[in-house]
Amino acid sequence: DADVTQTPRNRITKTGKRIMLECSQTKGHDRMYWYRQDPGLGLRLIYYSFDVKDINKGEISDGYSVSRQAQAKFSLSLESAIPNQTALYFCATRENTGELFFGEGSRLTVL
Amino acid sequence: TQLLEQSPQFLSIQEGENLTVYCNSSSVFSSLQWYRQEPGEGPVLLVTVVTGGEVKKLKRLTFQFGDARKDSSLHITAAQPGDTGLYLCAGGSGGSNYKLTFGKGTLLTVNP
Repeated sequence: DADVTQTPRNRITKTGKRIMLECSQTKGHDRMYWYRQDPGLGLRLIYYSFDVKDINKGEISDGYSVSRQAQAKFSLSLESAIPNQTALYFCATRENTGELFFGEGSRLTVL
Repeated sequence: TQLLEQSPQFLSIQEGENLTVYCNSSSVFSSLQWYRQEPGEGPVLLVTVVTGGEVKKLKRLTFQFGDARKDSSLHITAAQPGDTGLYLCAGGSGGSNYKLTFGKGTLLTVNP
């Protein structure tokens, strides 16, 4: 089983719908991250959390919210999806060495 | 906002050729990481460099961190089709509020 698991892997939805992307990890890491990847734009940080009680905005947090339900779970929500939120979303955990461990990604299409 | 510029954005070469990918910034980073991403998967760490002037080798891959810790390069010798993928550099900063800033990536295709 993967150390960082994202669900769903693929999702197609319509403008205005609420969407939740879930992430769970078995690494035992406190630090978790949500990134968005778009062609030609690299990985951009949406939100990050250093522990269950800590939530921080990244560089592109508008239109997104997160919940850290437990050390192992970090979910990303789009309250009202819009087409420009179509992207590949990655959850990651961070080890004390600084290495990030990524999930396999969730591809979201907003029509 | 710290920015990392990667070049080239795209690179298509023949098997056996050498190549270099560059990662440049006007900001100083405490560490610099290189990741490789294959289609349908998340990025995977290749190396972390933390000392200015540091050089690390990983088989046919050579990574260098600039003396001023503002830039880095990745050199691949005798590229193979298995090297195909998206190469991402990421700069670390922020101390206790540590964050990684990613470059936009270099998409490498090695043709047989």
